[in-house]
This record gives sequence, structure tokens and C-alpha cells, in this order.
Amino acid sequence: GAVVSQHPSRVICKSGTSVKIECRSLDFQATTMFWYRQFPKKSLMLMATSNEGSKATYEQGVEKDKFLINHASLTLSTLTVTSAHPEDSSFYICSARDSTSAYGYTFGSGTRLTVV
Amino acid sequence: AQSVAQPEDQVNVAEGNPLTVKCTYSVSGNPYLFWYVQYPNRGLQFLLKYITGDNLVKGSYGFEAEFNKSQTSFHLKKPSALVSDSALYFCAVRGGRNSGYSTLTFGKGTMLLVSP
Repeated sequence: GAVVSQHPSRVICKSGTSVKIECRSLDFQATTMFWYRQFPKKSLMLMATSNEGSKATYEQGVEKDKFLINHASLTLSTLTVTSAHPEDSSFYICSARDSTSAYGYTFGSGTRLTVV
Repeated sequence: AQSVAQPEDQVNVAEGNPLTVKCTYSVSGNPYLFWYVQYPNRGLQFLLKYITGDNLVKGSYGFEAEFNKSQTSFHLKKPSALVSDSALYFCAVRGGRNSGYSTLTFGKGTMLLVSP
């Protein structure tokens, strides 16, 4: 079945630095990818929808200058947390929609970001 | 706007007993409904989906869910729980073709604890 690889699985960074998280669809082309943020014991909050070759669509309240999303190819989307602060510490999950399916979603394994 | 309600934060069940995790939804048009499971520090794993057809959907690991249009519900069930089923379960909904295949909306999640 469809596989989405998310890297890194864990990252610790210092305040003020930037961190890049990659999301790759391994065996299918993903025209659309989604980035979620999950707080402890909470549901997934959609941050943005990323479409290959165009600008991402951010959800209300999500700072697009802080959470930079790039979807340069049909198999790769990246989320860069810029000038990270401790409050950005969270679990980030990407998801990709298989372009051949109207309803198929596959999730990455998530990235635990800790900003110290 | 579409929404999902999972009324229980936690469900406790003894191993071998049947389990039910509740989900109700609201969406315009015909719903596409999903159940996902999440283990600690992991992404979401797909369990099952309802798109059309038989109201009883069978999925992975012995789980099943019943679509009830009149009650707008999609409860997750399993006849005999295992300790290894203990995890966080998410119900999700998206609109169908008439709504332009909108993004997935998740419930807040229900923690399932199966005791030995």
C-alpha cells in the first residue's frame, strides 16, 4: 500500500534556530499533502494544505512566516519551523493524498520536536 | 462546516469483552468516514473507511464500524478486545464529491484501555 516517510522522527533544537521536517510519498505521487500539529493527548490540528507547485494554504491562526511549507515535487513536502521557540515543541504529522484515489490518505510516522 | 464528535475521552474494557468507541459526524452531502489508530509517538494508522455500500465496514485487526445515516454515527466496534488494542483512536470525516472532497476533520480522539 501507499507509504509516507517522515523524517526526522525526533529532533531537539535550540531556541532561535530553524528545523526542517521532510515528508515523502514513497510509492505514489502526492499532489496534495497536509501538515498537522498534535498537542499532548489532543486531536490533530490541521496547519496547512500543501499543493505541488503552488503556495500552501494555511489554516486560520497558523503563522505562514513561521511555518514554511514547500511542496516542490510530487513526492516531497517540507515543513520548516523558523526561529523556533519552546512553545513550538509538539508532535508534527504529515499526510499525503494519493493522487489516484479520491479518498485515500496516508500518514507519516510523525516528528517529535523539542525546542530548548 | 464539517465536524466530528467523539463523546468519550477514554473507554475502559476488559480483555475478551466487546468494545465500542463512539463517533458522530456532521457534513454536507454524503460523508466519507474513517477510523485511525495512534500508538504513542507514532503517526496514524488506517483502520477502516466508509465511502458507500454496505453500512457495516470491516477493517484491520478485527475492527468494524457501522454507518448509521439517520443517527449520523459511525461507531467503532470489536467483538473481543485485546490488551494490544490499547491506543488512541480517531474518527474522521470528509465531504464527498459534491463538497469538493474537502479536507479531513478529526474528532478529539478516544483513548482505549484494555485491561488484562
